Amino acid sequence: AQKVTQAQTEISVVEKEDVTLDCVYETRDTTYYLFWYKQPPSGELVFLIRRNSFDEQNEISGRYSWNFQKSTSSFNFTITASQVVDSAVYFCALSEPRKAGSARQLTFGSGTQLTVLP
Amino acid sequence: GAVVSQHPSRVICKSGTSVKIECRSLDFQATTMFWYRQFPKQSLMLMATSNEGSKATYEQGVEKDKFLINHASLTLSTLTVTSAHPEDSSFYICSARDPGNRGYTFGSGTRLTVV
Repeated sequence: AQKVTQAQTEISVVEKEDVTLDCVYETRDTTYYLFWYKQPPSGELVFLIRRNSFDEQNEISGRYSWNFQKSTSSFNFTITASQVVDSAVYFCALSEPRKAGSARQLTFGSGTQLTVLP
Repeated sequence: GAVVSQHPSRVICKSGTSVKIECRSLDFQATTMFWYRQFPKQSLMLMATSNEGSKATYEQGVEKDKFLINHASLTLSTLTVTSAHPEDSSFYICSARDPGNRGYTFGSGTRLTVV
């Protein structure tokens, strides 16, 4: 069965510091997708990235970057020069087929509460 | 991108009453929708998968008679919490497969408080 582990429950940093959020996953499938979402206090889920299991290239988008290491089953997320507005809960998620013919479902990690202090 | 509209965003109801939550896919068809529940400071847990024109698939431990799911059209799925109790108070959020590159689109969530 698939599993996503975000070992960091809470992280606090001071504005302008860099911060890395860890994500480790388990799956028996060879084809899967990994995601990161941001959940601000209002509750909605903000999509950040989707990564195919066959694409191990790291990605950068502005102050955000992601490091996908298939060998260690990790998909870590780094925020450079953090800002107060980055404060939120961040979820890592994994998508794979649960059984033949069923729609792919998402399995979420437990989330990391990031607090960026001014 | 694709949008899923979820209503209501917040609802307070009395214990024993039923509450219906709607999720509509705008500008795209969603043959499958997923319903999640999130308790405070916890992760999103999949409750059920709703399929247009057929019965929903419930996750282990989720009472199908309590959480009624209807997916009568390609753009609308509803979750009805029947005979709600205070322990049903939670954040409920739906999602649909996104026809674009994001994989999934989420509704904005419904915060249910049962008093």
